[in-house]
Amino acid sequence: SYKLTQPPSVSVSPGQTATITCSGDNLADKVSSWYQQKLGQSPVLVVYDDNKRPSGIPERFSGSSSGNTATLTISGTQSVDEADYYCQAWDSRVVFGGGTKLTVL
Amino acid sequence: QITLKESGPTLVKPTQTLTLTCTLSGFSLSARGVAVGWVRQTPGKALEWLALIYQNDDKRYNPSLMNRLTITRDSSKNQVLLTMTAMDPVDTATYFCARFPLSVAGAFDSWGRGALVTVSS
Repeated sequence: SYKLTQPPSVSVSPGQTATITCSGDNLADKVSSWYQQKLGQSPVLVVYDDNKRPSGIPERFSGSSSGNTATLTISGTQSVDEADYYCQAWDSRVVFGGGTKLTVL
Repeated sequence: QITLKESGPTLVKPTQTLTLTCTLSGFSLSARGVAVGWVRQTPGKALEWLALIYQNDDKRYNPSLMNRLTITRDSSKNQVLLTMTAMDPVDTATYFCARFPLSVAGAFDSWGRGALVTVSS
């Protein structure tokens, strides 16, 4: 079955750029999305269709996809961005990545 | 305002069948371009997609679990149901239902709060 791989953890200093990757075979041929999940809360969609932001999501969140990798970039990271982030791919079935814990310190 | 709410048993015994209900508000599964799905999350672990049901009643399942899953809808009550057979302690998880509109190209844009289901004798 199709698998998406994310780094377990990423650390970033406040104000810096955080980059979270998601790898899968020919991932760019599928549609990628990203979710933010804070402790005890439901996931929140932050990027869909590879690089689009839902309304209400800050501009500092952006996405891209090329080849085997999708990337979530958070520019000017803030302490409120500390959370788990999950990538998701879709091409008639849904697959989630294993999640990345983003620490802002 | 779009909301989804999961309901069902909090405790099931091993080998039993779990049935969860997702009640939709603010939108209808009868609307064009809409689907609803189920996702679960075991304690401290990642999200796992379970099933999707589309407005035209087309259904998709996680291949690794499809033999145990059935997703259905009750249009009169604006609800989506998920049935999972042969429950095992490893199925202990929080089960979420979420909206999957084609307008966001294969993503879940609204989620319920989740229902914690414990499998134990």
